[in-house]
Amino acid sequence: DIQMTQSPSSVSASVGDRVTITCRASQDISNWLAWYQQKPGKAPRLLLYAASSLQSGVPSRFSGSVSGTDFTLTISSLQPEDFATYYCQQAYRFPHSFGQGTKLEIK
Amino acid sequence: EVQLVESGGGLVQPGRSLRLSCTASGITFGDYAVTWVRQAPGKGLEWISFIGRRSYGGTTEYAASVKGRFTISRDDSRSIAYLQMDSLKSEDTAVYYCGGDHRGYSGYADYWGQGTRVTVSS
Repeated sequence: DIQMTQSPSSVSASVGDRVTITCRASQDISNWLAWYQQKPGKAPRLLLYAASSLQSGVPSRFSGSVSGTDFTLTISSLQPEDFATYYCQQAYRFPHSFGQGTKLEIK
Repeated sequence: EVQLVESGGGLVQPGRSLRLSCTASGITFGDYAVTWVRQAPGKGLEWISFIGRRSYGGTTEYAASVKGRFTISRDDSRSIAYLQMDSLKSEDTAVYYCGGDHRGYSGYADYWGQGTRVTVSS
């Protein structure tokens, strides 16, 4: 199975900050990666798919990139509504494993 | 408006069965793949099952933790996906979410339900 390792597990930041979250795949997954946002008690929300394609309706301050097996989610200027937990998920091979999550907290 | 609504959760004893439903509206359900994920209390998301659109073969897949105990299926005429859960264990306690993928095959879930809670306890 493909393992997805996210870092950091938590990060504190302020409104207006630029934040980067990384996800490393244990093997090549091409660009078959999604990023989800989840707020407490709510369902996940798809932010990006195919590593860097922005889902409809998602603000352009969210972006994604890939270098080999390392994937990055960047939020260019944090807004109050962005404080949440973020998960990566590979969709290259079943089981479509998630990373362990990164909790983005207000500093 | 697109909606996915999970139902069927509840309290169940270990070893018993439960069937979850994911009812869709506002979409052509037959074009969608469906993914089930779960989230144990205080934990992260765990992918558990997938069913592709029927015209792409209706592929079904399972996580090792549920394979042989859970069965995913779909009734496109009723816009419902099911997750039959047998031989339930305490570690199956979680909120279960269904997600819909308009591509029909990718596993990227564009839409999600609100979740249904399953508690396995004697």
